Amino acid sequence: QKEVEQNSGPLSVPEGAIASLNCTYSDRVSQSFFWYRQYSGKSPELIMSIYSNGDKEDGRFTAQLNKASQYVSLLIRDSQPSDSATYLCAVYDYKLSFGAGTTVTVRA
Amino acid sequence: GAVVSQHPSWVICKSGTSVKIECRSLDFQATTMFWYRQFPKQSLMLMATSNEGSKATYEQGVEKDKFLINHASLTLSTLTVTSAHPEDSSFYICSARAAGLYGTDTQYFGPGTRLTVL
Repeated sequence: QKEVEQNSGPLSVPEGAIASLNCTYSDRVSQSFFWYRQYSGKSPELIMSIYSNGDKEDGRFTAQLNKASQYVSLLIRDSQPSDSATYLCAVYDYKLSFGAGTTVTVRA
Repeated sequence: GAVVSQHPSWVICKSGTSVKIECRSLDFQATTMFWYRQFPKQSLMLMATSNEGSKATYEQGVEKDKFLINHASLTLSTLTVTSAHPEDSSFYICSARAAGLYGTDTQYFGPGTRLTVL
């Protein structure tokens, strides 16, 4: 049984601050990791994918992967009110396994 | 690129009727499509994996005779909810897998279909 655990929310940050989201997974053979953003009432939208250890940056988003620790994180820099959403960590091994999600609220 | 569409975006039906939801990959071929269901304030629950030209693989607890899946082409999969009941009311989301680099695969999600059964 593949398990994906995310830090419990909700997470509230002031506008302009850094939001830090964490995710751990149980299956050591997993090779592909994704972060999705889901606005209320909408379907998930892919934000980042990461496959190798280290950091991957895309605009204000940075994903970090540590396969030895089975840990993947997402940093949102300069948080904006439009970043308020639920963020889903997903681990791929033939199919995606999702975490329960962390709801982020950015206070203006 | 990698756009997935769903139709309809919302549907209201009477109890006992059947509802068909279409999922299309618009700009890529998807050998595999996935169907999820999401209840309010819960995460996505995978219902079934659909491979083009073969029978769908259902997750444990999902009734294959109630949720009929057809994946007749590389760009189209359909989910039919048969004899729908109020407890089937949910947000149904499909996703399509696009082949990526280095053997990795990325799933792109459709916009979802909100089903309400009266």
